[in-house]
Amino acid sequence: DIQMTQSPSSVSASVGDRVTITCRASQDIRNWLAWYQQKPGKAPKLLIYSASALQSGVPSRFSGSGSGTDFTLTISSLQPEDFATYYCQQANSLLLTFGGGTKVEVK
Amino acid sequence: EVQLVESGGGLVQPGGSLRLSCAASGFRISTYWMTWVRQAPGKGLEWVANIKQDGNERYYVASVKGRLTISRDNVKNSLYLQMDSLRVEDTAVYYCAREQTMVRGDIRAYYYGMDVWGQGTTVSVSS
Repeated sequence: DIQMTQSPSSVSASVGDRVTITCRASQDIRNWLAWYQQKPGKAPKLLIYSASALQSGVPSRFSGSGSGTDFTLTISSLQPEDFATYYCQQANSLLLTFGGGTKVEVK
Repeated sequence: EVQLVESGGGLVQPGGSLRLSCAASGFRISTYWMTWVRQAPGKGLEWVANIKQDGNERYYVASVKGRLTISRDNVKNSLYLQMDSLRVEDTAVYYCAREQTMVRGDIRAYYYGMDVWGQGTTVSVSS
């Protein structure tokens, strides 16, 4: 199975900060990567697919990049509603896997 | 409004069974892969299983293979997860989700993510 490793596991940031989250795949997954945001007690929300395509309705301060094994989610200017946990997910294999998550906390 | 609503969760003893349902509205599941994802208390997301539009292809995470069975009824516009031989470690919130993808043979043509999610249903396995 393809393992997905996110770093850091948590990050403390302030409103207006630029935040970068990294996701590494255990093998080449081309650009079959999605990013999700989850708030406590809520279902995940799709942010990015195909590594860099922004899901409809998602603010442009979110961006994704990367291909192969290394990927990045960037929030260009953190807003109060962005404090949440973020997950990457690979779809190169028909057996899907998520990363362990990165919690973005208030500094 | 496009929506998924899960039901069927509850408290069950180890070794017991449950059947989760996921009712779709605002779209027809017949044109989508559908998936189940779970989240144990305080833990991250874990993909559990998914099923092709016609039900002829199903995939499972290794830890549930042979115990959990995904199925669908396109006429009833619903997705199911039959859970047998439940273990304590199956305790989680279970979400159903719609996948935007196309697979030809075992080759993925495109993947646009899990774009619609239900609110989740809680399964607790305990004696």
